[in-house]
Amino acid sequence: GEDVEQSLFLSVREGDSSVINCTYTDSSSTYLYWYKQEPGAGLQLLTYIFSNMDMKQDQRLTVLLNKKDKHLSLRIADTQTGDSAIYFCAESLQTGANNLFFGTGTRLTVIP
Amino acid sequence: SAVISQKPSRDICQRGTSLTIQCQVDSQVTMMFWYRQQPGQSLTLIATANQGSEATYESGFVIDKFPISRPNLTFSTLTVSNMSPEDSSIYLCSVEVVGRSLYNEQFFGPGTRLTVL
Repeated sequence: GEDVEQSLFLSVREGDSSVINCTYTDSSSTYLYWYKQEPGAGLQLLTYIFSNMDMKQDQRLTVLLNKKDKHLSLRIADTQTGDSAIYFCAESLQTGANNLFFGTGTRLTVIP
Repeated sequence: SAVISQKPSRDICQRGTSLTIQCQVDSQVTMMFWYRQQPGQSLTLIATANQGSEATYESGFVIDKFPISRPNLTFSTLTVSNMSPEDSSIYLCSVEVVGRSLYNEQFFGPGTRLTVL
């Protein structure tokens, strides 16, 4: 099956930038996504990037995609305590949603 | 967006019993999915719930263990049968409305946290 990997934990101080990394193995991905999971809640789509893009910025969020290295990152500027959550990257190999593969999730802890 | 609710939100069950989890969406959706999130692990797709026909299961998951119903476009159930402690997980329902977005956004329910003793 598809392998999508993330580091498990990240701690940052409030106000600093957070960078969450993700690597994947299949180069035929169409879309790549970042989801956020807060305690006791379902997953919420934060942002996405189409596979022919290198970068996407959305307010405090910047997504960088390096297709050659199969590396995706999510940068959160001015990290706040409310950003503490588990962040999942995911990729879609086709336009059908049933081909969505998730990473292991990175638990971001923001220290006040 | 779609608002999804799941029942129960959590349960503690005895080995050998079965639990049925319900997923309700506030609008008609074309695609409904069931995922499992084991402790400290990623989400794994169990199956696609098809309206009016049998669910489509992913490798490693079978209908006898995880029977799924989808009687209409807003509701689905997942049963975890003959449970063992290895079934302790969070079970998530998700939906996608085909054609609503270009990027195949899935909306997730809050999950059902199952503990099997």
